[in-house]
Amino acid sequence: AQSVAQPEDQVNVAEGNPLTVKCTYSVSGNPYLFWYVQYPNRGLQFLLKYITGDNLVKGSYGFEAEFNKSQTSFHLKKPSALVSDSALYFCAVSPDQTGANNLFFGTGTRLTVIP
Amino acid sequence: ETGVTQSPTHLIKTRGQQVTLRCSSQSGHNTVSWYQQALGQGPQFIFQYYREEENGRGNFPPRFSGLQFPNYSSELNVNALELDDSALYLCASSEPGGPGETQYFGPGTRLLVL
Repeated sequence: AQSVAQPEDQVNVAEGNPLTVKCTYSVSGNPYLFWYVQYPNRGLQFLLKYITGDNLVKGSYGFEAEFNKSQTSFHLKKPSALVSDSALYFCAVSPDQTGANNLFFGTGTRLTVIP
Repeated sequence: ETGVTQSPTHLIKTRGQQVTLRCSSQSGHNTVSWYQQALGQGPQFIFQYYREEENGRGNFPPRFSGLQFPNYSSELNVNALELDDSALYLCASSEPGGPGETQYFGPGTRLLVL
């Protein structure tokens, strides 16, 4: 069975400080990992994904994520947080399987960047 | 490039009624997936359509059904609405290619069942 855990419901960080949003996963076979962001009353916006190759993935708006196979983690990071980064962040995994490439999402982490 | 669009944006129904939600996929995408996002939860996969055929289904009852049209747009139909069906319904489109393909989401339809 595949699943994603986001252990923190809420993360607060001061503007200009580095931020980390944590994600761990469980999947059979090779993991395909994604981060999405959701602003109020909006759909999900794609940030980045890990398929294979370099463990450090760079994405939109200065975000990056580090894939760690031994710790089954895929934490989202940004060197310097902006107030506009305040939103709900979702980690998702897609199992390596034939048929539908459906995403399994975590429960989300609300990031608040304090001015 | 046109993104994923959904209609309507909001909908109020009563228990037992039927509802149809619509989605237009992003240009060039022929795969459409539907997700249900209950309040305070992550999205849950309902089903996926590829070339007008259901390509996979999550743990949802048969009263959740769908269609995909030749232009790759899609509908989600829910019969016999229940109070727990109140949620944000998200449509996502992608290119075919398996689990590594990025899904691009529309803004969603917020359904309230009274």
